[in-house]
Amino acid sequence: NAGVTQTPKFRILKIGQSMTLQCAQDMNHNYMYWYRQDPGMGLKLIYYSVGAGITDKGEVPNGYNVSRSTTEYFPLRLELAAPSQTSVYFCASSYPLRPGLAGGQFNEQFFGPGTRLTVL
Amino acid sequence: GQSLEQPSEVTAVEGAIVQINCTYQTSGFYGLSWYQQHDGGAPTFLSYNGLDGLEETGRFSSFLSRSDSYGYLLLQELQMKDSASYFCALQGNNFNKFYFGSGTKLNVKP
Repeated sequence: NAGVTQTPKFRILKIGQSMTLQCAQDMNHNYMYWYRQDPGMGLKLIYYSVGAGITDKGEVPNGYNVSRSTTEYFPLRLELAAPSQTSVYFCASSYPLRPGLAGGQFNEQFFGPGTRLTVL
Repeated sequence: GQSLEQPSEVTAVEGAIVQINCTYQTSGFYGLSWYQQHDGGAPTFLSYNGLDGLEETGRFSSFLSRSDSYGYLLLQELQMKDSASYFCALQGNNFNKFYFGSGTKLNVKP
């Protein structure tokens, strides 16, 4: 199993350009997430999906769009890139979450290696 | 809203025990998770507390007290490879959403 894979690893964009960050998982997870991590900070949820065709906004969705046509793929689209979108982007996946349980078996998120994006 | 506070940096000696605290403010949540992240790497899951009390996984333990709005991660028998950043994350009322703290950088010295 490759787990969660992301492409590209690095990208430099000019202000106003657009791009799509790719994310794929081969664990047959229903749930997928996109986070951004600014230097020295924690992760902030951009969008998430609980299954093909179902997406919802996270904490910081402005400037981004997502789609989920299959279980495996969850691309993140940046339209009109801005310097504020310079960050490291992580995709993650999980089994359907089962909150409130004592242990973590159904509440673990598996992260991809990240995409480092710079907008100049 | 949700907010979490962690110390920014902790230093400990190889073989020692270290506790990383996480205090939070929330309007409601389902559980508290802990993740480890090495420099330049992806976060990896360590532990989850959906109930109050202690969860133990090998050298790592995590604790949650809802009445005190407080949790901690305990690392025992520290090894050099434990040098990393550690994040607590609240699983919010919409249990599909996780809110991360800013992380604690752990430096393990020989």
